[in-house]
Amino acid sequence: GDSVTQMEGPVTLSEEAFLTINCTYTATGYPSLFWYVQYPGEGLQLLLKATKADDKGSNKGFEATYRKETTSFHLEKGSVQVSDSAVYFCALASGGSYIPTFGRGTSLIVHP
Amino acid sequence: DAGVIQSPRHEVTEMGQEVTLRCKPISGHNSLFWYRQTMMRGLELLIYFNNNVPIDDSGMPEDRFSAKMPNASFSTLKIQPSEPRDSAVYFCASSEAYEQYFGPGTRLTVT
Repeated sequence: GDSVTQMEGPVTLSEEAFLTINCTYTATGYPSLFWYVQYPGEGLQLLLKATKADDKGSNKGFEATYRKETTSFHLEKGSVQVSDSAVYFCALASGGSYIPTFGRGTSLIVHP
Repeated sequence: DAGVIQSPRHEVTEMGQEVTLRCKPISGHNSLFWYRQTMMRGLELLIYFNNNVPIDDSGMPEDRFSAKMPNASFSTLKIQPSEPRDSAVYFCASSEAYEQYFGPGTRLTVT
């Protein structure tokens, strides 16, 4: 079945540092890939997405590129802020099913 | 649109009591999902509705849990009787395609 593997957290960074959160997936066919973010006390919200190989999703300074050859969708940001502290979930959806597969989430803590 | 609306936001109840969680999806979305989130088990899908019909309820933990969607604008998740191990944050999400829109969640504490 489909699966998503994310790097274990927490990831702890200083403000303005470069961020990478790794995500790899296993899926049949050609899934759509997503990053969701969950701020403390809130529900998940879509951060960015990519629907086909080599697509780059971007939003709020975050980027991720759909790499079919390495089955990866790593999340990056050039300069993190304290306000980026949250839990980040990688997810995929494929075929005719609207049931997504989520990774376990990676907590990001950014210090001033 | 106001987004996905859940109520109550917090619920504290005693073991053995019935708990009902409510969800109003985004208008026009035809899929609705109930999730449970805990530190130990992460985010778990409980049940998925499409066009008000339950499609996949394999994640419902046991018969104490039931969910209904009587119309396109309302769904409930009921736990009867509740147990301390049901304590978690319960999220409702809706979608019209692959992207999901989550509500703010209901934090349930069973003492």
